[in-house]
Amino acid sequence: GQQVMQIPQYQHVQEGEDFTTYCNSSTTLSNIQWYKQRPGGHPVFLIQLVKSGEVKKQKRLTFQFGEAKKNSSLHITATQTTDVGTYFCAGSNFGNEKLTFGTGTRLTIIP
Amino acid sequence: DSGVTQTPKHLITATGQRVTLRCSPRSGDLSVYWYQQSLDQGLQFLIQYYNGEERAKGNILERFSAQQFPDLHSELNLSSLELGDSALYFCASNDRADTQYFGPGTRLTVL
Repeated sequence: GQQVMQIPQYQHVQEGEDFTTYCNSSTTLSNIQWYKQRPGGHPVFLIQLVKSGEVKKQKRLTFQFGEAKKNSSLHITATQTTDVGTYFCAGSNFGNEKLTFGTGTRLTIIP
Repeated sequence: DSGVTQTPKHLITATGQRVTLRCSPRSGDLSVYWYQQSLDQGLQFLIQYYNGEERAKGNILERFSAQQFPDLHSELNLSSLELGDSALYFCASNDRADTQYFGPGTRLTVL
């Protein structure tokens, strides 16, 4: 079955440093979504990427979808304490609504 | 607030018991997804319903079952509970863009 892996599993950064998490799928995806889960909270949708090579930005967050549509990345510039949480990517295959979630990257910020 | 509701918020029970978790999707959404999230783990897809019918099945144990009712709310039944079933159980519904909206979750503790 489809597998979606994320690296790193954990990341500790000083406030103000950049952060990147990488997502890799074992199969080609029709689209990829990113979610953020704050400690004690539930996953919240951030963005969806559909096109090969697509890049989208949300303020300090930059999302990329690979040319082969099998990998993606989330980059946060100048992290802030509000960025703390676990970031999940989730992919789906063509014609299938089911999302396969990645293993997640837990980000902690050192003030 | 995602618009997805889940009850109860917390559930504490003993091994061997049976519990029912309830979820109501966002108004207008026809799908309900159930996920299990163990401590420090990712989101494991359990099962999906669409307009009352089972649509997709993930790693759901035979001791677990679910259904979606005509009013579109869903129930997840967990029986013969084991210590390892302690986890957060999320349900989600999705919009036409396949964005998933998660409920606040039910934290199940099996003693």
